[in-house]
Amino acid sequence: DTGVSQDPRHKITKRGQNVTFRCDPISEHNRLYWYRQTLGQGPEFLTYFQNEAQLEKSRLLSDRFSAERPKGSFSTLEIQRTEQGDSAMYLCASRSGTGSYEQYFGPGTRLTVT
Amino acid sequence: GDSVTQMEGPVTLSEEAFLTINCTYTATGYPSLFWYVQYPGEGLQLLLKATKADDKGSNKGFEATYRKETTSFHLEKGSVQVSDSAVYFCARESGGSYIPTFGRGTSLIVHP
Repeated sequence: DTGVSQDPRHKITKRGQNVTFRCDPISEHNRLYWYRQTLGQGPEFLTYFQNEAQLEKSRLLSDRFSAERPKGSFSTLEIQRTEQGDSAMYLCASRSGTGSYEQYFGPGTRLTVT
Repeated sequence: GDSVTQMEGPVTLSEEAFLTINCTYTATGYPSLFWYVQYPGEGLQLLLKATKADDKGSNKGFEATYRKETTSFHLEKGSVQVSDSAVYFCARESGGSYIPTFGRGTSLIVHP
């Protein structure tokens, strides 16, 4: 399978706990994106990597959120001190750097903060 | 800033009916335009795209034409099927930004 995978698919956590999500992109894709999607909304851009470099972060991304892509392959998104408002679907997508516009999305990680 | 506005759903149709889902975008720069589809329980998939004015994207019987004069990219299909039931997202991306902006999505429900 050469699609984008995300782990875990579901996460329930208590407010104030830290959570970490993982994304494995398509292997030859050098661009990797994180989005947040809430019910009835489209994906909202959070951050973007080209290889291991984090090139862009949304102003909406608070300092409780951090993302890494240490070797330019998989990426992690960590949320510290979770709040109920963080409950959402977190989507990862990857994309080739050779002029293709298409992003390939993973199935998402659904986070519920209680 | 950049934005995309889609018609609100759900859109409910009978099988073989004609479909239109409206999408308009902000005209900053010369964006590329996209329709993505999300089937139940699956991730988003690119349905079609158009990269310049008057281009028509098409796939699986769906079409959309990049209309610069009306800043629109409406999705159409002549005869929908039950299997087309999904959420459809319109998106724009400015040249060189590599960061798309998505609309809110329009749910399509097709009854037999």
